[in-house]
Amino acid sequence: GIQVEQSPPDLILQEGANSTLRCNFSDSVNNLQWFHQNPWGQLINLFYIPSGTKQNGRLSATTVATERYSLLYISSSQTTDSGVYFCAVGAAGNKLTFGGGTRVLVKP
Amino acid sequence: DAGVIQSPRHEVTEMGQEVTLRCKPISGHDYLFWYRQTMMRGLELLIYFNNNVPIDDSGMPEDRFSAKMPNASFSTLKIQPSEPRDSAVYFCASSLEQETEAFFGQGTRLTVV
Repeated sequence: GIQVEQSPPDLILQEGANSTLRCNFSDSVNNLQWFHQNPWGQLINLFYIPSGTKQNGRLSATTVATERYSLLYISSSQTTDSGVYFCAVGAAGNKLTFGGGTRVLVKP
Repeated sequence: DAGVIQSPRHEVTEMGQEVTLRCKPISGHDYLFWYRQTMMRGLELLIYFNNNVPIDDSGMPEDRFSAKMPNASFSTLKIQPSEPRDSAVYFCASSLEQETEAFFGQGTRLTVV
């Protein structure tokens, strides 16, 4: 099956800093989503982005499908950005395969 | 819409007991997914349905696990008998069509003692 790798595994930021999270995948995909799992365990949809670039407030994402990677940018980080960020991809069918996540801690 | 609704939010049960987790997908969504999250294995797909029909159950760990979707607004995941290694957070998700955005419920945290 498709392999999804996220980097870095852990990230510690000072409030106000910018960061880039990366997601590499091993095959062509028809679906790519970024999620934020908050400290209460809830999976929050950030972006549905099988290709192209999207922005939502301080967050933006870019997927280069031909090169099999996606990037999530966090600008001016806040303590509420802490949590785990997951990339999930879908190839044939409708199943999402999740990466291992990037654990982000934003310090005040 | 209230989103994907799962119940219960937390379940503690003794080994050997039957456990039933419930899910109500977003109205109008044709796809329903059950995922499990553990520290060791991360988030993994157990089974998914399209129009109430199971499409792929290759992720179901063993015969102790079963899932049903009797109608478009309700699905269950049953574990019988439960074992301590089944302890995990179980998520239900739904999506409108194939290759579209999936939305997750708040999960059920299962502890088997």
